[in-house]
Amino acid sequence: SYVLTQPPSVSVAPGQTARITCGGNNIGSKSVHWYQQKPGQAPVLVVYDDSDRPSGIPERFSGSNSGNTATLTISRVEAGDEADYYCQVWDSSSDPLYVFGTGTKVTVL
Amino acid sequence: EVQLVESGGGLVKPGGSLRLSCAASGFTFSSYSMNWVRQAPGKGLEWVSSISSSSSYIYYADSVKGRFTISRDNAKNSLYLQMNSLRAEDTAVYYCARDTGVNRHFDYWGQGTLVTVSS
Repeated sequence: SYVLTQPPSVSVAPGQTARITCGGNNIGSKSVHWYQQKPGQAPVLVVYDDSDRPSGIPERFSGSNSGNTATLTISRVEAGDEADYYCQVWDSSSDPLYVFGTGTKVTVL
Repeated sequence: EVQLVESGGGLVKPGGSLRLSCAASGFTFSSYSMNWVRQAPGKGLEWVSSISSSSSYIYYADSVKGRFTISRDNAKNSLYLQMNSLRAEDTAVYYCARDTGVNRHFDYWGQGTLVTVSS
């Protein structure tokens, strides 16, 4: 099965930039999606297709994907960005078909 | 406004059964693939099952294959998950999620329903 690896935690001061990585074998050849999940809430899609944002998601959220690493970047971090973040890909040759990353807890200092 | 509302969770003994439902509104339900995704307490997200818009294609994670059955009723705008032979490791919040169909990601999620498997 396809494995996506994320750092367990990232800490960032308000106003700074947080970068969350998602590592996978040749992940650059896949479309990567990112979800934000706050405690007790359902996940929310924040970036899809590597770098696109759904309507209503601030421009501070951006994504990139190349080689073996995809990255979610949160610029000008705010207290409200504190949450768990998950990357996800779909792989028709994988089992399971939909693979989630291990998740990263972003803490705003 | 797109809404997905799960129901049917609860406490069940190991080996027991439970049927989850997801009521959809605010979009043309019959045009979208739908999924179940679960999250064990304090753990990450795990995809469980997927069903295409017309029920022609159905997929399961290995962890639930042979025990869970996904289905849908497009006339009732509803998604279901029949869970049999439940185990302690099936304890989780179960979310239904809409699949965009393009590069396969989930653009809307329900609020989740908690399933607890314990004696």
